[in-house]
Amino acid sequence: AQKITQTQPGMFVQEKEAVTLDCTYDTSDPSYGLFWYKQPSSGEMIFLIYQGSYDQQNATEGRYSLNFQKARKSANLVISASQLGDSAMYFCAMRESTSNYGGSQGNLIFGKGTKLSVKP
Amino acid sequence: DAGVTQSPTHLIKTRGQHVTLRCSPISGHKSVSWYQQVLGQGPQFIFQYYEKEERGRGNFPDRFSARQFPNYSSELNVNALLLGDSALYLCASSSPLAGVYNEQFFGPGTRLTVL
Repeated sequence: AQKITQTQPGMFVQEKEAVTLDCTYDTSDPSYGLFWYKQPSSGEMIFLIYQGSYDQQNATEGRYSLNFQKARKSANLVISASQLGDSAMYFCAMRESTSNYGGSQGNLIFGKGTKLSVKP
Repeated sequence: DAGVTQSPTHLIKTRGQHVTLRCSPISGHKSVSWYQQVLGQGPQFIFQYYEKEERGRGNFPDRFSARQFPNYSSELNVNALLLGDSALYLCASSSPLAGVYNEQFFGPGTRLTVL
């Protein structure tokens, strides 16, 4: 079973509008972290935002916010005031605490991504 | 400070050959992870090394191996290359803090093409 599901292969948004990218996850670990990364065509993964499973408030970072609904196991990324430079692939990822080992952190599990295109 | 660096940037090999990819983590980071990203998919975890020891392995065949050196740089080796090994190989490093929140900083990747 997929642990991270991104159901939108592609999304279009008009410049300056807000857009929501969907992500649902599956884990039985009570302690986990959820991440969003942006991947431009150059290939490098750029960290955007993080949400911990015990965090009471939704995470925000500038124009990025995470709509965390724990009971529904969803962690949607909201980008406000879209810019042309936001056009890229966006990946949702999860790290479970059970994958940690001693002082090191476990691996990230990624979804298949959503390609966002911002129209001028 | 320099970010995660990877070499080479691009690589073309033929089936059956061997390849070595290299990664230098951010200074002070002791953990290095390798991911394979096939076109159109999200990255898939291959290996994690911490303090020169393997701490995690994904579902990849034994043709894939890796190691971490005393300076925390890392090599990923792939033997007997197959066409399906064509992918972007990403290296990520993280600092030695425990807990689920620990940002992994990714390098620019090595794009491997197997002909």
